[in-house]
Amino acid sequence: GAVVSQHPSRVICKSGTSVKIECRSLDFQATTMFWYRQFPKQSLMLMATSNEGSKATYEQGVEKDKFLINHASLTLSTLTVTSAHPEDSSFYICSARPSEGGGAFFGQGTRLTVV
Amino acid sequence: AQSVTQPDIHITVSEGASLELRCNYSYGATPYLFWYVQSPGQGLQLLLKYFSGDTLVQGIKGFEAEFKRSQSSFNLRKPSVHWSDAAEYFCAVASVSGTYKYIFGTGTRLKVLA
Repeated sequence: GAVVSQHPSRVICKSGTSVKIECRSLDFQATTMFWYRQFPKQSLMLMATSNEGSKATYEQGVEKDKFLINHASLTLSTLTVTSAHPEDSSFYICSARPSEGGGAFFGQGTRLTVV
Repeated sequence: AQSVTQPDIHITVSEGASLELRCNYSYGATPYLFWYVQSPGQGLQLLLKYFSGDTLVQGIKGFEAEFKRSQSSFNLRKPSVHWSDAAEYFCAVASVSGTYKYIFGTGTRLKVLA
């Protein structure tokens, strides 16, 4: 089946620094990618929809300047958490939907810890 | 508003017993429906999906789900649970057109007793 690779799987950063998370579709092209955040023992909350070649669409309440999303190619989207703070610590998951349609495939997630 | 409800936060079953996880959705039209499984600290693995056609959908690992339009439900079933099935299960809906955003239920944590 289709594979979505997310990197890194775990990252620890100092408060005030920025962290970039990559999401790659390995064997298909994805016009649309999605970024989710998951708090412990909770469901996934959609943060933004990433469209190749255009600006991301953010969900209500998500700070655009804090969570920078870039979808520069049909196989790569990045999420940069800028000026990270401990409250940004969470599990971030991306998903990618093949350009030809069908269901989306999810990455393995990135555990971000801000200390 | 679109929503997905998984009424059971926790379910405990004995190994070998049957399983049914409930999922109800609220949507303006027939959406795409999915079940995902998540092991601790891991991403989501697709178990099965319903787009159209036969309302009984077969998935991986012996799971199946039945779409019932009249009840707005998409319950997940397995006839005999294995200890390795212990995980968190999420039901999700996605719009058929437009942005194709997913909306997830709150999840059901399955515990399997030996």
